[in-house]
Amino acid sequence: AQSVTQLDSHVSVSEGTPVLLRCNYSSSYSPSLFWYVQHPNKGLQLLLKYTSAATLVKGINGFEAEFKKSETSFHLTKPSAHMSDAAEYFCVVSDRFAGANNLFFGTGTRLTVIP
Amino acid sequence: KAGVTQTPRYLIKTRGQQVTLSCSPISGHRSVSWYQQTPGQGLQFLFEYFSETQRNKGNFPGRFSGRQFSNSRSEMNVSTLELGDSALYLCASSLAVRVGNTEAFFGQGTRLTVV
Repeated sequence: AQSVTQLDSHVSVSEGTPVLLRCNYSSSYSPSLFWYVQHPNKGLQLLLKYTSAATLVKGINGFEAEFKKSETSFHLTKPSAHMSDAAEYFCVVSDRFAGANNLFFGTGTRLTVIP
Repeated sequence: KAGVTQTPRYLIKTRGQQVTLSCSPISGHRSVSWYQQTPGQGLQFLFEYFSETQRNKGNFPGRFSGRQFSNSRSEMNVSTLELGDSALYLCASSLAVRVGNTEAFFGQGTRLTVV
């Protein structure tokens, strides 16, 4: 079975300070992992994805995430927060070889950036 | 190229009615998935179509149904609407046979309000 746990429902940071959004996953097979961002009244946009290549994945807008199999984690980081980063972030898992062909979403982390 | 297009963007229906939502995937994408997003349940998978065949279905009652046409456009239908069906319905299209292997592109969603 596949699932993700986003450890924080809400994270608040000051502009210019680092961002850390935590995600732990559970997967019976080799997982693909994604981070998506959702701005208000917008659809979901892919930030980055891990599909068994390099464990440190770089995404758009300065975000990156590290796949740690031993910790079953895929935390999202950014060195310096920008006001435009304020949004809802979703950690997502999909089993690449399982019969199911759908994405499993975490409950989301709302990022607030304080000026 | 054009993104995933969902119509309509907003809908208001009364209990007991039925509704049809439409999704046009990115040109060339043959996989279309539907998700329901609510504040209480988060993002939940409804179903996935590939080449006009439903390949996977989430844990939703039979009132929720869908189909895919030969041009990959997809529709989902909800019959006998209930207040709890109020949600943002998101459609995602994907190029790969397996969504875990590539990016899923999301539309902006259809916000359904049942009164």
